[in-house]
Amino acid sequence: DQQVKQNSPSLSVQEGRISILNCDYTNSMFDYFLWYKKYPAEGPTFLISISSIKDKNEDGRFTVFLNKSAKHLSLHIVPSQPGDSAVYFCAASAGNQFYFGTGTSLTVIP
Amino acid sequence: EPEVTQTPSHQVTQMGQEVILRCVPISNHLYFYWYRQILGQKVEFLVSFYNNEISEKSEIFDDQFSVERPDGSNFTLKIRSTKLEDSAMYFCASSVRTGNYGYTFGSGTRLTVV
Repeated sequence: DQQVKQNSPSLSVQEGRISILNCDYTNSMFDYFLWYKKYPAEGPTFLISISSIKDKNEDGRFTVFLNKSAKHLSLHIVPSQPGDSAVYFCAASAGNQFYFGTGTSLTVIP
Repeated sequence: EPEVTQTPSHQVTQMGQEVILRCVPISNHLYFYWYRQILGQKVEFLVSFYNNEISEKSEIFDDQFSVERPDGSNFTLKIRSTKLEDSAMYFCASSVRTGNYGYTFGSGTRLTVV
C-alpha cells in the first residue's frame, strides 16, 4: 500500500533550466510534507518542507508547491545545477511517522 | 553542524547470525528512528523510539528486530537471526520533536546477508 508515490523514477534536465519533481499521495490526513535529497552512499538530507496550511514554500532555488485537492506535491529547482544531481524523495506525515516515495533520480546535464 | 553517526558503514554477515547496527543520534534530540532501504526500493519506516520505549513500529519490525538505547548516547538496532532479505541500507534518524519536523539522518549502514 503505497501512500506516497513518485511516478517518475528518473529525470534529466539541462543546467540552468527548471527541474520539476512530482509526488502524489493518497492519505488526506497527511498534514506535513518534505523533500529529501540523497547522494549515493549517504543518508537522505532534508531539503524543504511544507505544512498543509500552505500551498507554496520557497527557499532559495527550491520551491515546493502543494495542491491538497489533487493530493499532489511538486518540487521546483530553478536554476538547476550539476550538483543537484541526486535522488529526491518526497515524504508525508500525519503524526510521528513519515511515509516516503520511491524517489526520483535527477540528472542535471552541464 | 551536528550529525547522526552510524557504524559500521558496511556489515557483512552470514544468514542466521545476529547483527547490531549502531547509531549515535544528535545529543539534544529526543526521538529516534530506524529506516531501511532495500536496493532499488523506497525508504521504509521500521520503528520510532522515545523515552526509552518504542512509540511506533511497522509490520516489518517483527520479533527478530529490537532496539535499545543502552547508555544514553547510542541507539542500536539488533537483528537476531538475519535472513537474506534483510540485506539493505539501514538509516538511523533523530529529531528534536515528533510530528511536523524533518529528521536528521545518518549516512546509513549497508547490511549484506550472505
